[in-house]
Amino acid sequence: AQSVTQPDIHITVSEGASLELRCNYSYGATPYLFWYVQSPGQGLQLLLKYFSGDTLVQGIKGFEAEFKRSQSSFNLRKPSVHWSDAAEYFCAVGSGYSTLTFGKGTMLLVSP
Amino acid sequence: EAGVAQSPRYKIIEKRQSVAFWCNPISGHATLYWYQQILGQGPKLLIQFQNNGVVDDSQLPKDRFSAERLKGVDSTLKIQPAKLEDSAVYLCASSFYKGQGAYEQYFGPGTRLTVT
Repeated sequence: AQSVTQPDIHITVSEGASLELRCNYSYGATPYLFWYVQSPGQGLQLLLKYFSGDTLVQGIKGFEAEFKRSQSSFNLRKPSVHWSDAAEYFCAVGSGYSTLTFGKGTMLLVSP
Repeated sequence: EAGVAQSPRYKIIEKRQSVAFWCNPISGHATLYWYQQILGQGPKLLIQFQNNGVVDDSQLPKDRFSAERLKGVDSTLKIQPAKLEDSAVYLCASSFYKGQGAYEQYFGPGTRLTVT
């Protein structure tokens, strides 16, 4: 069965500092990996995805993520966090028709 | 391009009452999903449609939940009777085929259900 672990429930980062959110997955085949962001009262917005090819993927809002097969990880990074990045971030794994399995999310707090 | 539409955005009901949610996917998206997101957790799939056929409903509590997708476009999700533990955000998503066996899901704003 596929699963996603986001080990950090909350993370606080100072505005302008760099960010890394961790994601580890378990999946029997080649995974398709996603990061979504959810602001309060909103649905999920796709930040980026990995299907194949280059293991470093670029997304919207200056985010990037790196797929590391040997570590079963897909960590999300941003070099300089803005106050508007405060939200909840979800990592998900899926493949083809199969449904997405989400992690429990990491709440990002941005301090001034 | 219009996004996934859902209504209502908020609903408060008493336990044992019934409730229905509506979803209109992005035009041309053949696959539609309903997720349940309980506070503090990630979304969990309830049911997946491909056009108007069910692909996966293994996690749908069928004794109280039902869903349909008439004509392969709009969908409704119903709960009857509701329980306190059904309090959650119900998210609808739709997807299209990206190639290489991959689908990309787009989510609606969700319906926040409170059962008292």
